[in-house]
Amino acid sequence: GEDVEQSLFLSVREGDSSVINCTYTDSSSTYLYWYKQEPGAGLQLLTYIFSNMDMKQDQRLTVLLNKKDKHLSLRIADTQTGDSAIYFCAESKGNKLTFGTGTQLKVEL
Amino acid sequence: DGGITQSPKYLFRKEGQNVTLSCEQNLNHDAMYWYRQDPGQGLRLIYYSQIVNDFQKGDIAEGYSVSREKKESFPLTVTSAQKNPTAFYLCASRTNTGELFFGEGSRLTVL
Repeated sequence: GEDVEQSLFLSVREGDSSVINCTYTDSSSTYLYWYKQEPGAGLQLLTYIFSNMDMKQDQRLTVLLNKKDKHLSLRIADTQTGDSAIYFCAESKGNKLTFGTGTQLKVEL
Repeated sequence: DGGITQSPKYLFRKEGQNVTLSCEQNLNHDAMYWYRQDPGQGLRLIYYSQIVNDFQKGDIAEGYSVSREKKESFPLTVTSAQKNPTAFYLCASRTNTGELFFGEGSRLTVL
């Protein structure tokens, strides 16, 4: 496909793990990113992975990259109510970043 | 503190008026970007600039204009030619390793 694709919604219980998935388009993308957006605010960079890596872990966040399938995922361990936000994946294409549509994560008590 | 400042945060415009959104950064980044965000459509690139006095159209440049006279500043003008300007506008600057740092956004509403 031509677009970076994400599912629109994900709902989890507090304390569970969240997995947000993304399918990107360009196998030559050098970096892939995950951003978080809280209501009415800009985007905050959460983490990124270089294309020659399969996995990157940063505290509660784990990024998995499957280059063959052009699939990227973000796992949030022990999800908290403060994690409720929209999460965007993005791929680098030359001097530009192309963003997915965003996944709205809702954390329920 | 280093960062990106967008102003105004909220702006109302009558049809047929041009408006200019401000974006200033003190991160010493060469590259700056303007995105538009609509519900369910993610972010779409309007214009970007890799260096002072140079800029390129993004995917949805029609009805918009920019300038890059200073490294720190990349203002976006939404012209009357933009048919559906009501949206959330995000400015960003980019590090040498590709990460984008975003401002807090400007919400434009056309009355």
